Amino acid sequence: DTAVSQTPKYLVTQMGNDKSIKCEQNLGHDTMYWYKQDSKKFLKIMFSYNNKELIINETVPNRFSPKSPDKAHLNLHINSLELGDSAVYFCASSQVNKAEYTGELFFGEGSRLTVL
Amino acid sequence: QQQVKQSPQSLIVQKGGISIINCAYENTAFDYFPWYQQFPGKGPALLIAIRPDVSEKKEGRFTISFNKSAKQFSLHIMDSQPGDSATYFCAPLGSSNTGKLIFGQGTTLQVKP
Repeated sequence: DTAVSQTPKYLVTQMGNDKSIKCEQNLGHDTMYWYKQDSKKFLKIMFSYNNKELIINETVPNRFSPKSPDKAHLNLHINSLELGDSAVYFCASSQVNKAEYTGELFFGEGSRLTVL
Repeated sequence: QQQVKQSPQSLIVQKGGISIINCAYENTAFDYFPWYQQFPGKGPALLIAIRPDVSEKKEGRFTISFNKSAKQFSLHIMDSQPGDSATYFCAPLGSSNTGKLIFGQGTTLQVKP
């Protein structure tokens, strides 16, 4: 049973299109994240939600809009896709609000976005 | 804003050898020092982590060494195996960071049989 699952695993699309990536975690965690990994494998945080509330919003173009319908789901919608958006997008979760916060993040397998 | 510097960028080791990856940080508020391992096509996964109250932690063939005064920690892989070939990331964290990990640049390890 996959702990953090994201769909789709691959997206290939044209510039200017809109696309969405969905993420679900069954770990009961209170915090979810989107990370972007570029072609050089550099991992950078984009957004974080704690119990459906946006708590981290890094410098990301407003074409990217996260949505968390509940604490087990975090989706990412991208408008007007550009070539530079090509990357692997990872969803992750952690349990932040607990007495012994370990800091461990649990990642999904990633969604590889290719913009042509 | 370069808070975390990881080296080397890539590493090739013979099977049975020792792999050493280093991570230097600036933020003295960090109090959790993990290493993540990422295989191709997969997400990163926690490999081993240390708190600053100890200078070394060993789990099987993997050891973290922590030097608080130098603001550095390193990952040692003893008896490296081809199955260890992966990308390794350090991602130090402070307990007030609400999970905002800042990852090092990554080290791609190749263990040759």
